[in-house]
Amino acid sequence: DAGVTQSPTHLIKTRGQQVTLRCSPKSGHDTVSWYQQALGQGPQFIFQYYEEEERQRGNFPDRFSGHQFPNYSSELNVNALLLGDSALYLCASSLVAGAANYGYTFGSGTRLTVV
Amino acid sequence: GDSVTQMEGPVTLSEEAFLTINCTYTATGYPSLFWYVQYPGEGLQLLLKATKADDKGSNKGFEATYRKETTSFHLEKGSVQVSDSAVYFCALDDSGGSNYKLTFGKGTLLTVNP
Repeated sequence: DAGVTQSPTHLIKTRGQQVTLRCSPKSGHDTVSWYQQALGQGPQFIFQYYEEEERQRGNFPDRFSGHQFPNYSSELNVNALLLGDSALYLCASSLVAGAANYGYTFGSGTRLTVV
Repeated sequence: GDSVTQMEGPVTLSEEAFLTINCTYTATGYPSLFWYVQYPGEGLQLLLKATKADDKGSNKGFEATYRKETTSFHLEKGSVQVSDSAVYFCALDDSGGSNYKLTFGKGTLLTVNP
């Protein structure tokens, strides 16, 4: 049973460029959340998608956008990249009805470096 | 808003020592509480959870008890192993308050020496 799959694993981009990160949730999960983890810090919530709509958003600028597809997979897009966007981006999937009780399953992340 | 405060690291122990990592929280509702572990170069793995007051979560020799009166969820293990070396994150999910997200502490780096 595959867990959460993220691609690519590593990425190097130049300031001002745009990037798209991808996530396939664990089989049977219907909700996808994205987190940003800066070096030495805990993950920070970016947003969550359910039924192809953004359900809740954290304190991130509009440069960060996302999408969920009918098969529950998701993309995170970041425009006009800044050096401060360098981080590990984690995708987490869950069942909307049970996240608080059963927790979230995390992928291994995409390491984004902005130069 | 919701917040999690956990013991600053790093923590360095010898094998078979007793481990405690403190975690306290602030939440508007009645959150579920979690401990996640992150091994070098990997994502987060759920270690244990508790969904209501006085619940005890346990897994792989680790334990934590949901203490509503002290708003705490301290992680303990009686005898650590070298393989326990990792970063440990305390987190809460306050979906009961319609937050639909995990709020994490900053993490505690544990190093266990043989």
